[in-house]
Amino acid sequence: GAVVSQHPSRVICKSGTSVKIECRSLDFQATTMFWYRQFPKQSLMLMATSNEGSKATYEQGVEKDKFLINHASLTLSTLTVTSAHPEDSSFYICSARYPLIDEQFFGPGTRLTVL
Amino acid sequence: AQTVTQSQPEMSVQEAETVTLSCTYDTSESDYYLFWYKQPPSRQMILVIRQEAYKQQNATENRFSVNFQKAAKSFSLKISDSQLGDAAMYFCAYRSHYQLIWGAGTKLIIKP
Repeated sequence: GAVVSQHPSRVICKSGTSVKIECRSLDFQATTMFWYRQFPKQSLMLMATSNEGSKATYEQGVEKDKFLINHASLTLSTLTVTSAHPEDSSFYICSARYPLIDEQFFGPGTRLTVL
Repeated sequence: AQTVTQSQPEMSVQEAETVTLSCTYDTSESDYYLFWYKQPPSRQMILVIRQEAYKQQNATENRFSVNFQKAAKSFSLKISDSQLGDAAMYFCAYRSHYQLIWGAGTKLIIKP
């Protein structure tokens, strides 16, 4: 089956620093990738949709200058949390759309803790 | 705008028995997909079952089956012969184009 990886799986950083999270589709080309945020015991909240080679589309209320998304290739999308603050602490999940079978596959998630 | 509602925050079932998780949705579109995803404690999202709205036949995957009622906009998941490994959060999701619209989730507890 199609596999999506995320790196790192856990990251702890100090307030004010920037953190980059990578999302890779390992065995397929993903024209579209999605970034979600999940709070404890809650559902997934879509942050943005990224298409290879173009600017990401952010959901209402998501600060695009804080959450920078780059979809530089058909297998890699990155989410950079800039000037992170404790309120940015959360579980971040990416998914990648496999066009040939019209299915989304999810990464294992990244737990971000900002001290 | 489309919405997905899961009215059961938590369900419990005895091992080997059957449980049904409820999901309703609201949409004005006629062509869409519905999904059930499982999120175990590892938090890896796993697709359980998928239903295309144009198909009248209910989808099944081994012990998992759905009851899709298009007119009622209902999409319930039945888990037969529940196993300890079925314990997880279950999310119902709707998709008409690329984006998934998520329900709030139901926590399924399996009693040994």
